[in-house]
Amino acid sequence: AQTVTQSQPEMSVQEAETVTLSCTYDTSESDYYLFWYKQPPSRQMILVIRQEAYKQQNATENRFSVNFQKAAKSFSLKISDSQLGDAAMYFCAYPSAGNMLTFGGGTRLMVKP
Amino acid sequence: SQTIHQWPATLVQPVGSPLSLECTVEGTSNPNLYWYRQAAGRGLQLLFYSVGIGQISSEVPQNLSASRPQDRQFILSSKKLLLSDSGFYLCAWSGLAGGDLRGYTFGSGTRLTVV
Repeated sequence: AQTVTQSQPEMSVQEAETVTLSCTYDTSESDYYLFWYKQPPSRQMILVIRQEAYKQQNATENRFSVNFQKAAKSFSLKISDSQLGDAAMYFCAYPSAGNMLTFGGGTRLMVKP
Repeated sequence: SQTIHQWPATLVQPVGSPLSLECTVEGTSNPNLYWYRQAAGRGLQLLFYSVGIGQISSEVPQNLSASRPQDRQFILSSKKLLLSDSGFYLCAWSGLAGGDLRGYTFGSGTRLTVV
């Protein structure tokens, strides 16, 4: 069974600084997708970024980027120039058969002004 | 554009009462549909998924059931709620665009409290 592990239950970052959230996963597939989702206090799940495993280039969306290490099965999220609105729970996710997303346990990100 | 509607937003129900949560998707056809539950401060647990009308797969044996009476409608039900059914329930859909999985789009969730 696929597993997704987020080893940091909580992280804290100073406003305008950079923070990296870790994620590792287990799979025997060679082509797949990986996702990061943000869940603010409203609890709405928002897609932050998507990575396609066959692409060597790391995905980037504005201040959000990933460090994808396929051999190590690592998929970390880097948030640059952190803003107060970035404070949220962040979930890493991997889709198994049937496009069912398996989520990590989440990392709570706090942003200090 | 595709949208997903989930209701009600909040629900307080007594133990032993029935439950019906509804989710509908607009702007797409034949989506994959999912029900997740999230305990406070925890990750998401997949409860049910559906790849078509009347096709339901359950991931976790429990007090809940799901149905898909129409292509873009997904219903989560219970005949008798338990205290342990309390939580935050999220509906989601996924589809392919150009053969690529674009991820899930989630509804706004239902906060269920069983008292």
